[in-house]
Amino acid sequence: SQTIHQWPATLVQPVGSPLSLECTVEGTSNPNLYWYRQAAGRGLQLLFYSVGIGQISSEVPQNLSASRPQDRQFILSSKKLLLSDSGFYLCAWRLGGGAFFGQGTRLTVV
Amino acid sequence: AQSVSQHNHHVILSEAASLELGCNYSYGGTVNLFWYVQYPGQHLQLLLKYFSGDPLVKGIKGFEAEFIKSKFSFNLRKPSVQWSDTAEYFCAVKSSNSGNTPLVFGKGTRLSVIA
Repeated sequence: SQTIHQWPATLVQPVGSPLSLECTVEGTSNPNLYWYRQAAGRGLQLLFYSVGIGQISSEVPQNLSASRPQDRQFILSSKKLLLSDSGFYLCAWRLGGGAFFGQGTRLTVV
Repeated sequence: AQSVSQHNHHVILSEAASLELGCNYSYGGTVNLFWYVQYPGQHLQLLLKYFSGDPLVKGIKGFEAEFIKSKFSFNLRKPSVQWSDTAEYFCAVKSSNSGNTPLVFGKGTRLSVIA
């Protein structure tokens, strides 16, 4: 069966530190993968999506970047975190018309 | 570009009350529509989806939604809510013309059901 793993579940990082959130999927090949951010009062915002290895589309300009080094791996990164990067980050994998979501990472930048 | 509007930020209902959460989207083409739910401390789950056919869609846990094309709406309904329905609800849309386009989400509506 298809599953999606996202880690870590929670993260507290100081301002200016780097970030790396990892997402992997199992049980499928060549998935479309997405990173969303859920910020308080702002709903779910699409950050990046990838249709294949090395292919990244950015939806909003920001302090974050994404990479797809392997078919089933999608990484969200930052070189220097800002306070405004705090939020709940969700990795998603699309199957047909719907999507499966990871359990999310609660990032607090202090 | 597609966008989704959810009219209510926070809805508070008593148990057994009826629920209707509004969702409007803007997109001129053919769309697929979704409602997702996120219970406290849990991850997003699909409640129901509309692709084509009968515009009244039945989902899990007694939820349903009606696609009204002329109004660009996909409102979520439940005749009688329970305390366990307390959660955040997200409406989402994607173009059905391209297999790669991502879901665009509304800002979510928080539902609090009180005894």
